[in-house]
Amino acid sequence: EAGVTQSPTHLIKTRGQQATLRCSPISGHTSVYWYQQALGLGLQFLLWYDEGEERNRGNFPPRFSGRQFPNYSSELNVNALELEDSALYLCASSLRLENYGYTFGSGTRLTVV
Amino acid sequence: AQSVTQLDSQVPVFEEAPVELRCNYSSSVSVYLFWYVQYPNQGLQLLLKYLSGSTLVESINGFEAEFNKSQTSFHLRKPSVHISDTAEYFCAVSGWGATNKLIFGTGTLLAVQP
Repeated sequence: EAGVTQSPTHLIKTRGQQATLRCSPISGHTSVYWYQQALGLGLQFLLWYDEGEERNRGNFPPRFSGRQFPNYSSELNVNALELEDSALYLCASSLRLENYGYTFGSGTRLTVV
Repeated sequence: AQSVTQLDSQVPVFEEAPVELRCNYSSSVSVYLFWYVQYPNQGLQLLLKYLSGSTLVESINGFEAEFNKSQTSFHLRKPSVHISDTAEYFCAVSGWGATNKLIFGTGTLLAVQP
């Protein structure tokens, strides 16, 4: 069974640009979660999607947005990139609305220069 | 709302020595508790979890954690560590109920030295 897959592995962008990160959940999982792991800050919850709808949102500005597609894959968009957006972005998935533990992907390393 | 505190940012230990990584949580409702491990340049892997029942839970690689409700703790222990256990360990909490998400601590780097 394939795990949670994220692409790209690495992404380098210039300040002010937009970044798009992608995530494919485990087959059968309908919930997708996005976390930001910035140096020294642990994992900060970003967004939670289930069945195509946004279920919850962390304390991040509106320039962080995303969506979930009918096949349950998800996209995270970060507009007007700032230097402090540089971080590892982790995607996780679970069965629908199940919080018994998520399965994480390997992440996308976003570097803003 | 829930929160997690991992007081130790780094724990150095010699190989074959015992180790304890501390985790305390805060919540106004009943909780599920988790430990995740992150090896360098990788994502997070679920190490063990407490959902209900026995307060002592074990992983397949020798780690164990005990849920202590009165002290709101979920410390992770291993009686004898290996070099390969060197990694970042994250404690996480979630409130009961399908609408609750996982909240993570800031992580503890376990540095095992020969």
